[in-house]
Amino acid sequence: DTGVSQDPRHKITKRGQNVTFRCDPISEHNRLYWYRQTLGQGPEFLTYFQNEAQLEKSRLLSDRFSAERPKGSFSTLEIQRTEQGDSAMYLCASSFQAEETQYFGPGTRLLVL
Amino acid sequence: AQSVTQLDSQVPVFEEAPVELRCNYSSSVSVYLFWYVQYPNQGLQLLLKYLSGSTLVKGINGFEAEFNKSQTSFHLRKPSVHISDTAEYFCAVSWLTGGGNKLTFGTGTQLKVEL
Repeated sequence: DTGVSQDPRHKITKRGQNVTFRCDPISEHNRLYWYRQTLGQGPEFLTYFQNEAQLEKSRLLSDRFSAERPKGSFSTLEIQRTEQGDSAMYLCASSFQAEETQYFGPGTRLLVL
Repeated sequence: AQSVTQLDSQVPVFEEAPVELRCNYSSSVSVYLFWYVQYPNQGLQLLLKYLSGSTLVKGINGFEAEFNKSQTSFHLRKPSVHISDTAEYFCAVSWLTGGGNKLTFGTGTQLKVEL
């Protein structure tokens, strides 16, 4: 069990560029969650998958955001036309459906200049 | 809207002193409750959780928390803190209303342990 991994750990981009983050959950965890954490705040829920199905999206997830989980394994979160307000830590978590504990990855810190 | 409140944004405490970090949530419907710790530039690590059963929950690193349904609280305690406990602590709630059990977090409490 290697834990939840995220890549990259840090990303600096210019406003208007597209970025994509990857999350690899703990193997056999069928639920995968994305959260966003801004400075001085707690994480906020963005979206979650059960296997490959995206079952819920927060209103925080604007049209510029898209998440996928092909084949129910790793997940990607893409932000198109980034804005300075997108600067945040993006956290991924996974859980096994029968157990409610979510295990978090180290996060991807995004800075939009 | 459902919410989680951590009233103390910062808690300074001397090493070996006891500490309590407070957490209240907005609704008394069935919930799962969690405390996570976050060290600088890292993700969240689970300290402890309440799903059901005994209202006193013990976690890692000597931390414990008590679920109080009538007061909708889940305060975190440690009888004697160590310098290494300096970190940000987040209370999180999962309301059992069906669906994916997403977590709602408080704004966090920065625990600073001093010599």
